[in-house]
Amino acid sequence: GAGVSQSPSNKVTEKGKDVELRCDPISGHTALYWYRQSLGQGLEFLIYFQGNSAPDKSGLPSDRFSAERTGGSVSTLTIQRTQQEDSAVYLCASSPPTETQYFGPGTRLLVL
Amino acid sequence: KQEVTQIPAALSVPEGENLVLNCSFTDSAIYNLQWFRQDPGKGLTSLLLIQSSQREQTSGRLNASLDKSSGRSTLYIAASQPGDSATYLCAVNPQGGSEKLVFGKGTKLTVNP
Repeated sequence: GAGVSQSPSNKVTEKGKDVELRCDPISGHTALYWYRQSLGQGLEFLIYFQGNSAPDKSGLPSDRFSAERTGGSVSTLTIQRTQQEDSAVYLCASSPPTETQYFGPGTRLLVL
Repeated sequence: KQEVTQIPAALSVPEGENLVLNCSFTDSAIYNLQWFRQDPGKGLTSLLLIQSSQREQTSGRLNASLDKSSGRSTLYIAASQPGDSATYLCAVNPQGGSEKLVFGKGTKLTVNP
């Protein structure tokens, strides 16, 4: 079946602009996660949605970052007033409860 | 705060060699540990998941072990092939069911024909 999909696959933007990254999880998966992978760094947790519960936003690095998940399915990660240090690969994953996470291919963001 | 370390950062071996990748974590209170594979420009693929109550898991030529008390895991790859070339990531799921994986920085493996 279809896996986790993310769009766009690549995004180049200018410093100060806002960007939106989209994640389509596997159908039926109740949990959705966003991670960030910066050059030379490990994957860093950003935010976690589980069903209708309030999201765990503890990993968001600043208030310029926000995410929402509409209808328990598609999620959008928004970065406002982008900075060069936001350049990274943003990975989305989904899972059934307490099972392994299935990752999408990621969105490569470059802020000039 | 849980920290995950992977050694070595990079490894290059000739085809056919058996090899071991190492992962260590600072807090032994984990729910489970996973090994992932990441190919260039691709997402992560889960290879093996070990629950905290388990000692090892096997899949084909891969064997992962877990020693929770010492905070260590190893990924053993038998009879390596050029197609095994990728970055291997270790991730722990901290106890509490939060599901927020804590990743190491990975080991970049190159298997030379």
